Amino acid sequence: QVELRQSGGGVVQPGRSLRLSCVASGFSFRSFAMHWVRQAPGKGLEWLAVISSDESQKYYSDSVNGRFTVSRDNSINTLFLEVNSLRHEDMAVYYCATEVPRWTGGFGYFDYWGQGSLVIVSS
Amino acid sequence: DIQVTQSPSSLSASVGDRVTITCRTSQDIRNNLAWYQQKPGKPPTLLIFDASALRPGVTPRFRGSGSGTEFTLTISSLQPEDVATYYCQKYVSVPLTFGGGTKVDIK
Repeated sequence: QVELRQSGGGVVQPGRSLRLSCVASGFSFRSFAMHWVRQAPGKGLEWLAVISSDESQKYYSDSVNGRFTVSRDNSINTLFLEVNSLRHEDMAVYYCATEVPRWTGGFGYFDYWGQGSLVIVSS
Repeated sequence: DIQVTQSPSSLSASVGDRVTITCRTSQDIRNNLAWYQQKPGKPPTLLIFDASALRPGVTPRFRGSGSGTEFTLTISSLQPEDVATYYCQKYVSVPLTFGGGTKVDIK
């Protein structure tokens, strides 16, 4: 069955960096675009970034563009999110998610989600 | 960017009630809308895609409808296990924006 196992969260000081990981199993990881979504405490869902299956396309939300970097290593079925220059407002649970491909172009809805990684920004 | 507005932000209804949640987009997105359910402490799960297609395994109590800029998620007969927060999401073009969420509980 499809599983997305996340790691890398924790307590980080403002201005520091962190790398989140998402290890996929149960499907052909290299064939699917992958997304990152976050949820601040008590708040709604915020889409952050997408990376295409071959890494040729990467897109970010305005709120994290320039500070966050999405990457993947298809040889080890792993998705990454490098989060830099952390701010208090970046404190959230971060989720990775797979999408259902759209053969007509663009990006699809999310059918599987990781369990989430909590990032706490505190001095 | 296309804005996604969901209403109401919360609602309380009795077991067996029909519940309706609305999602509006600032531009025509055809039927490129999904609905998710999220229970406390858990990741979201997909309920509906392409505005009205029920994900296999999801109870048919959930029904999605609409196209263009106005969409609806209906729970035909609210059950205790439906207590959750529901989100709509537009997809295809980035950013893949979510609505603000609707928290549903039992009266």
